[in-house]
Amino acid sequence: EVQLVESGGGIVDPGGSLRLSCEASGFTFSAWWMHWVRQAPGKGLMWVSRINVDATTTSYADSVKGRFTVSRDNAKNTLFLQMHSLRADDTGVYFCARGRLNWGAFDIWGRGTRVTVS
Amino acid sequence: QSVLTQPPSVSGTPGQRVTITCSGGSLNTERNTVNWYQQLPGKAPKLLIYRNDQRSSGVPARFSGSKSGTSASLAISGLQSEDEAEYYCGLWDASLNGVFGGGTKLTVL
Repeated sequence: EVQLVESGGGIVDPGGSLRLSCEASGFTFSAWWMHWVRQAPGKGLMWVSRINVDATTTSYADSVKGRFTVSRDNAKNTLFLQMHSLRADDTGVYFCARGRLNWGAFDIWGRGTRVTVS
Repeated sequence: QSVLTQPPSVSGTPGQRVTITCSGGSLNTERNTVNWYQQLPGKAPKLLIYRNDQRSSGVPARFSGSKSGTSASLAISGLQSEDEAEYYCGLWDASLNGVFGGGTKLTVL
C-alpha cells in the first residue's frame, strides 16, 4: 500500500525549532518529488516547500524562506522539514505529499502532524 | 492570500448537481492545469481531479472537472451526504510550486 506517515509534531515555544519527518512506503521514494503543505486551524491549504528527487533543488513559500529547510534521505525513504524561529502563525497541521510531475498534482498525502507554536 | 478564488460555500440537496468554481489569472495558460482535492472533516486532502478533467483512480464518475480561460469548475452530480467536505482547487506554478484556492465548503442539506 502506498503510504506517507508524518511524525515529529508537537508544542513548541515561539522562536523554537522542530523537525518533522515523513516516512514513505509502497513506492520508489527516490523517484518522486516531495512537498510539504500546511493547514492552519480552521483555514485552507498552504503550500510550504518542495524538493526534487536527488535534493539538488528545493523551493519554499515566502513566509517560511530562511527559517525552514526541506531535505530527504532516499536510503531511508524519509522526507524531513527542519523548522527554526517558529512563530504563532506556523501553527497548523503539516502534510507531506507526493508530487506527480506529469500531472502537476499532489497524488498521495499523509495524514499530517500537528504543530502548535505557543 | 490565494491567487485562485473559490466561493467560500455551496450547498445542495441529495441527488442535485452542484458546481464549484475556481478562477484566477494564472489559469489562463495551457501549461497551468487545475487539480481538485476533497478534504473530508478531520482527514487529509485527497486528489479528485487532475489536469483539469481527469478523474483520479477510484473517484466516482459523479465528479467531473473542466477548465475554460481563467476559470475552472468541479461539478458533482447525484449529490450524496458523504460528499459533504471542503474542496480545493490547485495548480503548480511555473516554478513547480503548489498554489491552492481558499477552499469551498460543500454542505448537503
